[in-house]
Amino acid sequence: DIQMTQSPSTVSASLGDRVTITCRASQTISPWVAWYQQKPGKAPKLLIYQTSTLQRGVPSRFSASVSGTEFTLTISSLQPDDFATYYCQQYSTYLFGGGTKVDIK
Amino acid sequence: QVQLQESGSGLVKPSETLYLTCDVSGASVGSAGFSWSWIRQPPGKGLEWIGYIYFDGVTTNYNPSLKNRVGISIDRFKNYFSLTLSSVTAADTAVYFCAGGGPGDAFDVWGQGTMVTVSS
Repeated sequence: DIQMTQSPSTVSASLGDRVTITCRASQTISPWVAWYQQKPGKAPKLLIYQTSTLQRGVPSRFSASVSGTEFTLTISSLQPDDFATYYCQQYSTYLFGGGTKVDIK
Repeated sequence: QVQLQESGSGLVKPSETLYLTCDVSGASVGSAGFSWSWIRQPPGKGLEWIGYIYFDGVTTNYNPSLKNRVGISIDRFKNYFSLTLSSVTAADTAVYFCAGGGPGDAFDVWGQGTMVTVSS
């Protein structure tokens, strides 16, 4: 079975920091990966689809890329609204990564 | 603007069947270009995709870990899609989300989620 290993599980960062979250696929998969942001008690929100396309309305400080089987979400300058949990999802099996919680250092 | 709203029993007894519906507004469940999914999240844990159904009402795909117990269907007349999960146990306790997107695409619209507890 294809696994999506997301890391780190938690990242502590300060406002203005650059934050990078990675999802590594266990094998070559569909090139399409999505990234979601979830805040406590809320439904996930789509940030990125088709690996690197920003969903309408999502700030440009969010970006994503791929290198081989490693997918990366980057927040260029962390803002107060960005403290949340982030999940990757690949389209082949629709499975989610384990999540990365971004909290305040 | 497409909006989704989950409804159903919040408490299910072990070994019984969980049934949830997701009311769709702003689109027709049978309109070409949509897929409809269910995702769940146990308390304090991550997201688990359950399965999806395409707008045709026939094409489905389920998480292999749940495949023997799960079913998703659409009702074009009442404009909703539904989830059934049989033989539930405490491990099925979770917030259940419905979501929509294009076939083979990400989930760009979500319901608010509904908590389901499995307990006698």
